[in-house]
Amino acid sequence: EAGVTQSPTHLIKTRGQQATLRCSPISGHTSVYWYQQALGLGLQFLLWYDEGEERNRGNFPPRFSGRQFPNYSSELNVNALELEDSALYLCASSYTHGWGISGANVLTFGAGSRLTVL
Amino acid sequence: DQQVKQNSPSLSVQEGRISILNCDYTNSMFDYFLWYKKYPAEGPTFLISISSIKDKNEDGRFTVFLNKSAKHLSLHIVPSQPGDSAVYFCAASVKYGNKLVFGAGTILRVKS
Repeated sequence: EAGVTQSPTHLIKTRGQQATLRCSPISGHTSVYWYQQALGLGLQFLLWYDEGEERNRGNFPPRFSGRQFPNYSSELNVNALELEDSALYLCASSYTHGWGISGANVLTFGAGSRLTVL
Repeated sequence: DQQVKQNSPSLSVQEGRISILNCDYTNSMFDYFLWYKKYPAEGPTFLISISSIKDKNEDGRFTVFLNKSAKHLSLHIVPSQPGDSAVYFCAASVKYGNKLVFGAGTILRVKS
């Protein structure tokens, strides 16, 4: 079974440009999550999409946006790039109600897209 | 406001000994807690979880302990192996919540 795939692996942009990152979830998963991991920091929640809708949003400015397509893949757009947007962007997927036996919603992560803003 | 805190940025342990990674949380609404492990150039992978109705969950060499009154959990790895060297993230969610809130991570180095 293919895992969560993200592209591109690396992306270099300059300040003010726009970046688009893509994510394909595990087959059967309908929820997609985006997290940002800046250097030295933990995973900061960005966005959660489920069934094509934005369900929740973290404490990030509106220039961070995204969408989920009918096939459940997703893209994250970052407009007007700033230097501090340089980070590893991680995508994760799960079933909509993926709590399982443990009751915890276990997210499966991709390897991430490294965005560098110069 | 950091709801999940991992106050130790790094930990170094000798192979064969016990590794103890700690995590504190502030949100009393959290009901589920998870540990993820991350190797360089890879995404985090799920390790073990615990529900707030339990105080211990064990899976092979990995055991997670939860002290709900202290809002504290810990991950014990016994015995530690060099392959355990990675960044460990603590995460939490509310009951039937989808979003996970992560700590900043602890770098574990197991020396052979």
